[in-house]
Amino acid sequence: KAGVTQTPRYLIKTRGQQVTLSCSPISGHRSVSWYQQTPGQGLQFLFEYFSETQRNKGNFPGRFSGRQFSNSRSEMNVSTLELGDSALYLCASQGPSGGYTDTQYFGPGTRLTVL
Amino acid sequence: QQPVQSPQAVILREGEDAVINCSSSKALYSVHWYRQKHGEAPVFLMILLKGGEQKGHDKISASFNEKKQQSSLYLTASQLSYSGTYFCGTVSGGNQFYFGTGTSLTVIP
Repeated sequence: KAGVTQTPRYLIKTRGQQVTLSCSPISGHRSVSWYQQTPGQGLQFLFEYFSETQRNKGNFPGRFSGRQFSNSRSEMNVSTLELGDSALYLCASQGPSGGYTDTQYFGPGTRLTVL
Repeated sequence: QQPVQSPQAVILREGEDAVINCSSSKALYSVHWYRQKHGEAPVFLMILLKGGEQKGHDKISASFNEKKQQSSLYLTASQLSYSGTYFCGTVSGGNQFYFGTGTSLTVIP
């Protein structure tokens, strides 16, 4: 079974630009969660999608948005990038029920650097 | 809302035991434990569910005290491969998931 894949693995952007990150979950998993990891703040929950609907949302500004497609692939978008958005962005898939009694499997992450 | 872990860091010699604690201010439905090695994604270790069910790793054990909203991860006879940062993750009302503050564990020969 293929694992969680994330693309791209590395990104360099400048302040004010926007960025889109992609995550393909494990086949059969309908839940995808996104996390931001920084040395100062640790692992912070961004949002979770289940069957194309946002089911949970963390405490991030509206510049952070996401969506999920019918094949469960998910994208995360950050608009008007700020220096503080530099981080490792991780996605995790859960399934098949998508509830938190299931294991989360993490992708390798996308390292975003904002200059 | 972020669970607090203790200790923040610990150094062990191979073969020694360690306990990592995770404490939440909210009533919990489940507690998850992950290990992350430098430059890698977190890897699942264990889930503890309200009511006592556990799913996870054969060589790692954990406890979940629902009344105290606390969980502990027990690492026995540590090996070099146990080094990494350990995170608990908690699920409370509203199905919100929060990662803990992390515990850095280093096992030396």
